Amino acid sequence: DSGVTQTPKHLITATGQRVTLRCSPRSGDLSVYWYQQSLDQGLQFLIQYYNGEERAKGNILERFSAQQFPDLHSELNLSSLELGDSALYFCASSADRGVSYTFGSGTRLTVV
Amino acid sequence: GDSVTQMEGPVTLSEEAFLTINCTYTATGYPSLFWYVQYPGEGLQLLLKATKADDKGSNKGFEATYRKETTSFHLEKGSVQVSDSAVYFCALSGGSGGSNYKLTFGKGTLLTVNP
Repeated sequence: DSGVTQTPKHLITATGQRVTLRCSPRSGDLSVYWYQQSLDQGLQFLIQYYNGEERAKGNILERFSAQQFPDLHSELNLSSLELGDSALYFCASSADRGVSYTFGSGTRLTVV
Repeated sequence: GDSVTQMEGPVTLSEEAFLTINCTYTATGYPSLFWYVQYPGEGLQLLLKATKADDKGSNKGFEATYRKETTSFHLEKGSVQVSDSAVYFCALSGGSGGSNYKLTFGKGTLLTVNP
């Protein structure tokens, strides 16, 4: 157990639907990062939150949004899903600046 | 922006062979460098890291040295085992300064070790 918890582990949904992925960071970590892993794009940074505030945005689609709550858990919302959104979505957390990151085991999203 | 280039796979070796996976990076600042490993069906695990030039990261027989002059962080292991079969990712963070410490990954290298 890495200390970063992601739920659910697997998700199958239909095109056009909306899903929410959840991440609980390691205890004490203030930063949460979301990544998408697909065969063609590799590991792409989506978005970072630090202590409840958005810190950085990467290749995140407008159909996707995220937030970090006061208890520091984070949710990634994916809407109007398309087949191409099928991927592994990872969450990572860190306490310090660019030295240590802990990844969750990921959520595998399949859009059918 | 920051980028990481690592050798394309797949790499297939026999047990006890020597492993090198090349990684070079582009960054405007002074990044930290990482190697992550992903076993089949699992998440990413930190293998080793180096935070400044000439640092050597090591773990489980794997080593990599942060070479600023060649902007490289090549992964090496003297004698691979079947259990080392996985996908290896080179990554950097903090390359552009500021407060954004996201990880930028290479595309990954699939390593298969045969008995």
